[in-house]
Amino acid sequence: AQKVTQAQTEISVVEKEDVTLDCVYETRDTTYYLFWYKQPPSGELVFLIRRNSFDEQNEISGRYSWNFQKSTSSFNFTITASQVVDSAVYFCALSEPYFTGANNLFFGTGTRLTVIP
Amino acid sequence: NAGVTQTPKFQVLKTGQSMTLQCAQDMNHEYMSWYRQDPGMGLRLIHYSVGAGITDQGEVPNGYNVSRSTTEDFPLRLLSAAPSQTSVYFCASSSGLAGVVIDNEQFFGPGTRLTVL
Repeated sequence: AQKVTQAQTEISVVEKEDVTLDCVYETRDTTYYLFWYKQPPSGELVFLIRRNSFDEQNEISGRYSWNFQKSTSSFNFTITASQVVDSAVYFCALSEPYFTGANNLFFGTGTRLTVIP
Repeated sequence: NAGVTQTPKFQVLKTGQSMTLQCAQDMNHEYMSWYRQDPGMGLRLIHYSVGAGITDQGEVPNGYNVSRSTTEDFPLRLLSAAPSQTSVYFCASSSGLAGVVIDNEQFFGPGTRLTVL
């Protein structure tokens, strides 16, 4: 079965510290997509990144970086030099479109990040 | 483009009442879906549609009904509201063709916060 595990329920860091959010997944297919979403206190879901299973290159976008490792079924998210605006709940999600025939997302339970000024 | 819109933003129901949560998108997306978000459980898929006239159940479909008569609209009906349906509901859409899977970024609506007393 598909499964997404975000073992860290809550994390608190002091501003300017680096922080890594963990995501481990289980999938039923060899072709799949992984996502990260941010949910700030206002409640909307903000798309951060999508990665397909054939692209294991790490990605960096400003202070954000992602480490995709198929060998350990992990897709971890690092925020460098954290800021108060990074305080949010972060969700990792999995999509298996060729297995399910649809763009359904299966979400982890989320990690609440609090950045203390 | 308005993107994905949801109405209402907030709703309070009494047990046993019925109501419809509205979702519309103006991006001509074939795929639409409904998720519910509960504390500590992430987002879970209720129902989804890969095109007009086609709907299917997700992970938690009981107590909900959907139909897709147009590409733009995907309403979610609560048949007889129960306190267990107190949640935040998100509608999402992405491009894709019925019978042809094209996985793309999912666009989420702002959410509807529903309380059932």
